[in-house]
Amino acid sequence: DTGVSQDPRHKITKRGQNVTFRCDPISEHNRLYWYRQTLGQGPEFLTYFQNEAQLEKSRLLSNRFSAERPKGSFSTLEIQRTEQGDSAMYLCASSPQGLAGPNTGELFFGEGSRLTVL
Amino acid sequence: AQTVTQSQPEMSVQEAETVTLSCTYDTSESDYYLFWYKQPPSRQMILVIRQEAYKQQNATENRFSVNFQKAAKSFSLKISDSQLGDAAMYFCAYRRGGGGTSYGKLTFGQGTILTVHP
Repeated sequence: DTGVSQDPRHKITKRGQNVTFRCDPISEHNRLYWYRQTLGQGPEFLTYFQNEAQLEKSRLLSNRFSAERPKGSFSTLEIQRTEQGDSAMYLCASSPQGLAGPNTGELFFGEGSRLTVL
Repeated sequence: AQTVTQSQPEMSVQEAETVTLSCTYDTSESDYYLFWYKQPPSRQMILVIRQEAYKQQNATENRFSVNFQKAAKSFSLKISDSQLGDAAMYFCAYRRGGGGTSYGKLTFGQGTILTVHP
């Protein structure tokens, strides 16, 4: 298994355009998370899926943002009508189900998708 | 709301020496987990070490150890015998205890850039 993969790695777009990012989690992980990281800051939680169900969304996720995880496998994060403030690294992470044992709380991150809005 | 503070934006260490990164957090919860994640340049974030709040014993992982002071809400990371490969951004992170959606919802600090000099 190659870990969590994200595509594209870099995206430059003009303000007002729509962009979509894809995340492929580790295959046996049923939990998937999206985080946003701006320059010089720590990641901020955006949303979380367990299988195909989106169980929580942060208030950071405005109505221009939508995330899906059809069939509980890969996930997409779409940003509509991008704004310059959306420029950030969008990180995807996955984890196996289960609260006990060595995997407690450990997230496996992808390399991120960097968005630049001009 | 929980907050995590890393007061050292940058730290440097000589190869083979020891360095300590600081982290403080604020929470009213009694059940929680603390983590240190490492983010090398242009690479994915990986877990370095975790600490369960109910455990009094400080966690250790090879050259990495923590000093967990629950009353002071302090959680520092000590890296012994520093290596060039330790150079990265280090994030302290907090997670509430219990299950459900809190499982992967981490609150990160701002990060500390660690430079290792040969």
